[in-house]
Amino acid sequence: SYVLTQPPSVSVAPGQTARISCGGDNIGSKTVYWYQQKPGQAPVVVIYDDTSRPSGIPDRFSGSFSGNMATLTIRRVEAGDEADYYCQVWDTGDDPWVFGGGTKLTVL
Amino acid sequence: QVTLKESGPVVVKPTETLTLTCTVSGFSLRNAGTGVSWIRQPPGKSLVWLAHIFSNGEKSYRKSLRSRLTISKETSKSQVALTMTNVDPADTGTYYCAHIAVLSGIPQNYLDSWGQGILVTVSS
Repeated sequence: SYVLTQPPSVSVAPGQTARISCGGDNIGSKTVYWYQQKPGQAPVVVIYDDTSRPSGIPDRFSGSFSGNMATLTIRRVEAGDEADYYCQVWDTGDDPWVFGGGTKLTVL
Repeated sequence: QVTLKESGPVVVKPTETLTLTCTVSGFSLRNAGTGVSWIRQPPGKSLVWLAHIFSNGEKSYRKSLRSRLTISKETSKSQVALTMTNVDPADTGTYYCAHIAVLSGIPQNYLDSWGQGILVTVSS
């Protein structure tokens, strides 16, 4: 089945830019979604359809592709952005909903 | 406003059957393209999709768990149930139900609203 690979952790100082990568075989041919999960809470979608933001998500959050990697970029990072972030795609294989292993964003 | 809430036992013994219920509001399970997924998250680990069901009755299960899972819906009660047989300590985790995003009656491939989750522990 399809596998998405994320770095386990990313650390950034407040006000700086955080970049969280998500890799997968030929990921450019898929649509990528990103979720934020704060401790003790359910995930919340922050990016859908590769680059779109749901209402209520700050424009500091953006999604992009480069080569064989999708990236979630968080500009002007705040303490409240500290969370686990998961990428997700839909795959036509046996298990359609595929999540990455998650990246813990630490705000220093 | 779309909301979902999971309910069920928080402790289950190995080999028993676990039944979880997701009660939804803010949308109808009979609306075209509407779907609900169940997702599991073991403690400290990532999200794992288990099953989904759509308003037209279409169902799908995680391949590795297919023989143990049953998903069903009771539209009049706005509920989606997930049954897992022969549970094992490895099934311990937080179970979420989530609404599959829909646009103009066409399901989208992401989850736009999630329940709060229910932590289920499998232990004797």
